[in-house]
Amino acid sequence: GAGVSQSPSNKVTEKGKDVELRCDPISGHTALYWYRQSLGQGLEFLIYFQGNSAPDKSGLPSDRFSAERTGGSVSTLTIQRTQQEDSAVYLCASSPRRSSYNEQFFGPGTRLTVL
Amino acid sequence: AQSVTQPDIHITVSEGASLELRCNYSYGATPYLFWYVQSPGQGLQLLLKYFSGDTLVQGIKGFEAEFKRSQSSFNLRKPSVHWSDAAEYFCAVASGTYKYIFGTGTRLKVLA
Repeated sequence: GAGVSQSPSNKVTEKGKDVELRCDPISGHTALYWYRQSLGQGLEFLIYFQGNSAPDKSGLPSDRFSAERTGGSVSTLTIQRTQQEDSAVYLCASSPRRSSYNEQFFGPGTRLTVL
Repeated sequence: AQSVTQPDIHITVSEGASLELRCNYSYGATPYLFWYVQSPGQGLQLLLKYFSGDTLVQGIKGFEAEFKRSQSSFNLRKPSVHWSDAAEYFCAVASGTYKYIFGTGTRLKVLA
């Protein structure tokens, strides 16, 4: 079956512009996660969804970052007024349900470059 | 606080040689540990995971890892590396019920 997909694969934007990054999880997966991977850094947790709810937004770096999930499926990560330090690869993952036992399946990521 | 340390940023090995990638974790409870591999332009793929039981875990692509509680380590090994193993490898510990904490990764280069 299809894996986790993300779009766009690459996004170049100018400082101050807003961007939207999309994630399509594996069908039937109720848990969805966003991570940020910066150069030389590990993966940084941003936000977690269970269904359409986000019980843990603790990793969002600032109020310029927001995310939503609709229909228990597609999720959008929005970055407003982008800054150069937002440049990174944004990875989405999904799992069948919320549990440490469950493998998280990752998408290929969106590489964001802020000029 | 929970953390994962991968002390080697880069490792270079010759094809056919053995490989060991180090991972140390800090976690108060029994850890759930994972190794993921990321090929260029790809997402992360799970190699193996440890929850409990046998401390030597077998994974895909001929990889294995050994959990050593006394050393807080979960090192990844492969007896004979193939050129296709060149990638970045991430160790992770599950924090709470779902959140993963990742190390900074080890980039593996394989010489022909």
